[in-house]
Amino acid sequence: DAGITQSPRHKVTETGTPVTLRCHQTENHRYMYWYRQDPGHGLRLIHYSYGVKDTDKGEVSDGYSVSRSKTEDFLLTLESATSSQTSVYFCAISDGTGDPMNTEAFFGQGTRLTVV
Amino acid sequence: AQSVTQPDIHITVSEGASLELRCNYSYGATPYLFWYVQSPGQGLQLLLKYFSGDTLVQGIKGFEAEFKRSQSSFNLRKPSVHWSDAAEYFCAVAIVTGKLIFGQGTTLQVKP
Repeated sequence: DAGITQSPRHKVTETGTPVTLRCHQTENHRYMYWYRQDPGHGLRLIHYSYGVKDTDKGEVSDGYSVSRSKTEDFLLTLESATSSQTSVYFCAISDGTGDPMNTEAFFGQGTRLTVV
Repeated sequence: AQSVTQPDIHITVSEGASLELRCNYSYGATPYLFWYVQSPGQGLQLLLKYFSGDTLVQGIKGFEAEFKRSQSSFNLRKPSVHWSDAAEYFCAVAIVTGKLIFGQGTTLQVKP
């Protein structure tokens, strides 16, 4: 299994509080991604990073921010959590060496976030 | 806009029967296509991928997929389904900058 660790694995938080999810990789891969998974929607890209301090928005980025200060860590922050952000969050990584699309993405085990 | 459609939300097949899961994509350039499988409570595991060359690709666990450019499809097949294949299956396309766009997923149930 690819060395991807998501923390925490489960979290319950209150509406309006900030929440940070962490993704840590030991593969030295260039690309890192945050997705959310909701029934009927599959996986939707929130943000992704193509290098240290290089990030870009995905299709559902509103209400989320990210940071990548080191190759191995990619943080997802919910600035003020809402009930609509209750979801399962997945981190993924890909090598990106040469052709960034010529590699598969490896996924973490997910973080189940409940906003009450 | 790029998109992936999996028309079947839920499929039930009998153990030992053949399986085909449909995937259609919308993307202007040559697509890079993937099938992933997710068991309950788990992350996603890559079954197979297509980048170029032979349009019939073989994957793990006895799965294969065929790329048909004229139909914008990348359907997943297995000749004989096992009870352990029950899971959720996702088709995805990689676009410029390495972003992956996923379909909505198909849940496979296997009847004994």
